[in-house]
Amino acid sequence: DGGITQSPKYLFRKEGQNVTLSCEQNLNHDAMYWYRQDPGQGLRLIYYSQIVNDFQKGDIAEGYSVSREKKESFPLTVTSAQKNPTAFYLCASSPTGFSNQPQHFGDGTRLSIL
Amino acid sequence: DQQVKQNSPSLSVQEGRISILNCDYTNSMFDYFLWYKKYPAEGPTFLISISSIKDKNEDGRFTVFLNKSAKHLSLHIVPSQPGDSAVYFCAAANAGKSTFGDGTTLTVKP
Repeated sequence: DGGITQSPKYLFRKEGQNVTLSCEQNLNHDAMYWYRQDPGQGLRLIYYSQIVNDFQKGDIAEGYSVSREKKESFPLTVTSAQKNPTAFYLCASSPTGFSNQPQHFGDGTRLSIL
Repeated sequence: DQQVKQNSPSLSVQEGRISILNCDYTNSMFDYFLWYKKYPAEGPTFLISISSIKDKNEDGRFTVFLNKSAKHLSLHIVPSQPGDSAVYFCAAANAGKSTFGDGTTLTVKP
């Protein structure tokens, strides 16, 4: 059963700590994306990767970092530099980075900073 | 400056009637438009899309219309069913990046 797995579903961290969100896909997709969603708002792009070992900043990359060492994995680190990290984080993938290909989403991780 | 806007946060329709969800955009470089549906505590799922060179695309009960001169697209659901109740996001894409609207919550009443 192919899909995207985000773990954990809920994550709590103390202020000032870095935290890493996991995203794994078994769809053999080249492109992967990280979005942030705040209440009542749409999805905002944090980082994206169109191929292994390469990634680009999205619209709100400050305070976040990513790596793409394997095709199936695209972890997101929320650093202590992110001023307001409490949000719902969504990972997505698409076969390639072309605009006409829909993205497949995981079920998200809700991060709360205590 | 928000490039993709869904001006109606919510919409309520009766089962069997038509649901029309609207989306406006400002960037003429967008070359593909997509609609996603999202249930609570789940990720969005793709619904239907349209290329910028077309003005209509239909898939079963779902039809998307694109008016490039007005920079406006709409999603029509006919007939609406209670299971269609969800948040609908409009997205506009260019160079592999998608920009999303804030979503419209559709409620279909039995």
